Amino acid sequence: QQQVKQSPQSLIVQKGGIPIINCAYENTAFDYFPWYQQFPGKGPALLIAIRPDVSEKKEGRFTISFNKSAKQFSLHIMDSQPGDSATYFCAASSNYGQNFVFGPGTRLSVLP
Amino acid sequence: GAGVSQSPSNKVTEKGKDVELRCDPISGHTALYWYRQSLGQGLEFLIYFQGNSAPDKSGLPSDRFSAERTGGSVSTLTIQRTQQEDSAVYLCASSLGYTTGELFFGEGSRLTVL
Repeated sequence: QQQVKQSPQSLIVQKGGIPIINCAYENTAFDYFPWYQQFPGKGPALLIAIRPDVSEKKEGRFTISFNKSAKQFSLHIMDSQPGDSATYFCAASSNYGQNFVFGPGTRLSVLP
Repeated sequence: GAGVSQSPSNKVTEKGKDVELRCDPISGHTALYWYRQSLGQGLEFLIYFQGNSAPDKSGLPSDRFSAERTGGSVSTLTIQRTQQEDSAVYLCASSLGYTTGELFFGEGSRLTVL
C-alpha cells in the first residue's frame, strides 16, 4: 500500500515532443505528490508538486495532471529539449511531507 | 554553503571494513532523510529524523546500518562490516518538516566496496 508505481522505465523522444510519465498509488492518505528531476552525478531536485485539491498544475513547460479517483498522476513536458534529459521520479507523502515514497524512476532522453 | 552537504563524495573500502558517511543539512531544517540509490535504480528509503522525535528506522536493510543525528543538525550514517552489495550512492535530504514537503538533496556519497 506504500508503493508508488511509475512507467515507463525509459523514454526517448525527439526535441519538441511531449513525453508523459505516469504514476499510480494505493494509499489514500497521501496528500502531496512531487516530481523530482535528477541529472547524472547530482542529487534529485524538486521540479513541480501538486496536492489533491486540484486536478492540474502547470509550471513553465511542466504540467502535472492528477486524477484522485483513479489514484494516478502524470508529468507532461511540453516542447521537450535535450537539456530535459534526466531521470524523473514521482513521489507521494502524507502528514505534510513525512514518509516520502518514491517511484522507481523514468530515464528520459530527448534527442536533438 | 546554502545546500545540503555530504562527505565524502567518494569512498572506496574493503569488504568487512566500517564506513561513516556524513550529512550537513540546510540550517533550520528539522527533517533529515537518508536514501540509498544503487546504480541506475530508484531511491530506497533508509531512515528519517524529525526534530527531537524518535527516528523512523524502518528502511534500514540490516543491523549493520545505523544512523544518528547530533544536536538536531549533522547526521552520520554508519555501515559496519561492509559487504559488496552495500555499494551504492547514499543520498541525504533535508526539509523544513511539517511546513513544506520539498526535500533538498545533497549530491550523495558514492560507496564502493571491493
